[in-house]
Amino acid sequence: QKEVEQDPGPLSVPEGAIVSLNCTYSNSAFQYFMWYRQYSRKGPELLMYTYSSGNKEDGRFTAQVDKSSKYISLFIRDSQPSDSATYLCAMNRDDKIIFGKGTRLHILP
Amino acid sequence: NAGVTQTPKFRILKIGQSMTLQCTQDMNHNYMYWYRQDPGMGLKLIYYSVGAGITDKGEVPNGYNVSRSTTEDFPLRLELAAPSQTSVYFCASSYKGAQGYTFGSGTRLTVV
Repeated sequence: QKEVEQDPGPLSVPEGAIVSLNCTYSNSAFQYFMWYRQYSRKGPELLMYTYSSGNKEDGRFTAQVDKSSKYISLFIRDSQPSDSATYLCAMNRDDKIIFGKGTRLHILP
Repeated sequence: NAGVTQTPKFRILKIGQSMTLQCTQDMNHNYMYWYRQDPGMGLKLIYYSVGAGITDKGEVPNGYNVSRSTTEDFPLRLELAAPSQTSVYFCASSYKGAQGYTFGSGTRLTVV
């Protein structure tokens, strides 16, 4: 079983819809959970960062962590065409970060 | 504030050639990392460093070498380039280990 599993998509949704992106993981020792956004031909940029179970909200973005189920989610409300990108979930092992393979998201105008 | 700067942005190498990918950060971060990203495969850790003079292997270190003589610089050396090293290489840094990285814009390398 891979340490971090993420559906690669692509996921296409109409503008204004709520987007749900998800990852599962197998290592219960992971402590920090992150979401990165990567535009085409650019480096990933940190979008959301959480520690422990629960929700964290930042504008239109909500990150959710369920440690009991080893499941993390990113919700995007009122999705915009500018949200079209690849979203990578990530979590730490010691001083290193393990990344999911990324989900390609297309927001259709 | 430039953040993490990678050079070159693009490079074509012939099989067997060598090159150094440069990475510099101006945020005084102790932790620096090199990843490669292949289509559909996500980011794989090549090498990392927790401070000047300290380096360690990641998941896919074969065919690569690194050094960390200063806090700012973390060059990645490719010896005897092979087609399997065709990839996009990202350098990243952080202040406190795994608590969020800042990435460079990447080096797109093709080995022919």
